[in-house]
Amino acid sequence: DSGVTQTPKHLITATGQRVTLRCSPRSGDLSVYWYQQSLDQGLQFLIQYYNGEERAKGNILERFSAQQFPDLHSELNLSSLELGDSALYFCASSVDRGTQYFGPGTRLLVL
Amino acid sequence: AQSVAQPEDQVNVAEGNPLTVKCTYSVSGNPYLFWYVQYPNRGLQFLLKYITGDNLVKGSYGFEAEFNKSQTSFHLKKPSALVSDSALYFCAVRDLRNRDDKIIFGKGTRLHILP
Repeated sequence: DSGVTQTPKHLITATGQRVTLRCSPRSGDLSVYWYQQSLDQGLQFLIQYYNGEERAKGNILERFSAQQFPDLHSELNLSSLELGDSALYFCASSVDRGTQYFGPGTRLLVL
Repeated sequence: AQSVAQPEDQVNVAEGNPLTVKCTYSVSGNPYLFWYVQYPNRGLQFLLKYITGDNLVKGSYGFEAEFNKSQTSFHLKKPSALVSDSALYFCAVRDLRNRDDKIIFGKGTRLHILP
């Protein structure tokens, strides 16, 4: 157990809908990272927050957004969902610039 | 820009034999290198990392990796494979010269240990 928690574990929704994925980092970690894992694209970095502020941005679509709250948990919002958004979404956390520890992931299925 | 390559999609090894999972990287500055393992329906688990110092890094579950600067490689190794080592392995790199913490992952290598 890495200490990073993610909810929900599974999510099934329809195209055009909006969902929110939640992540709680390890105790003491200020950085949160979001990744998307799909069969054809592999593991793609989406975005990083550090202590509430956006620090780095990767291949995140405009339909996706994230935030980190004062208690350091983070949410990834996915809107106008498309079939191609079906994937595993991972959250990771770290101390500043340290090793990233991953949560168990949220499996999203868009029908 | 940083990148990492895992040239083998799949590696098959007999139980008890040594295993190697290959990784090469490209960065502008000095690399910060990682190996992670993913078991079915699980998140990624950290195995080991290299920042600086000894080129041979020891990690979890008896794994080790050798940093080779001239060949820009960071191959994962284990002297004697176990069936339970069967999983998906990811190599990852961060350029220490970058201001952000973005890590780039390879596409992964599926390791099959045959009983």
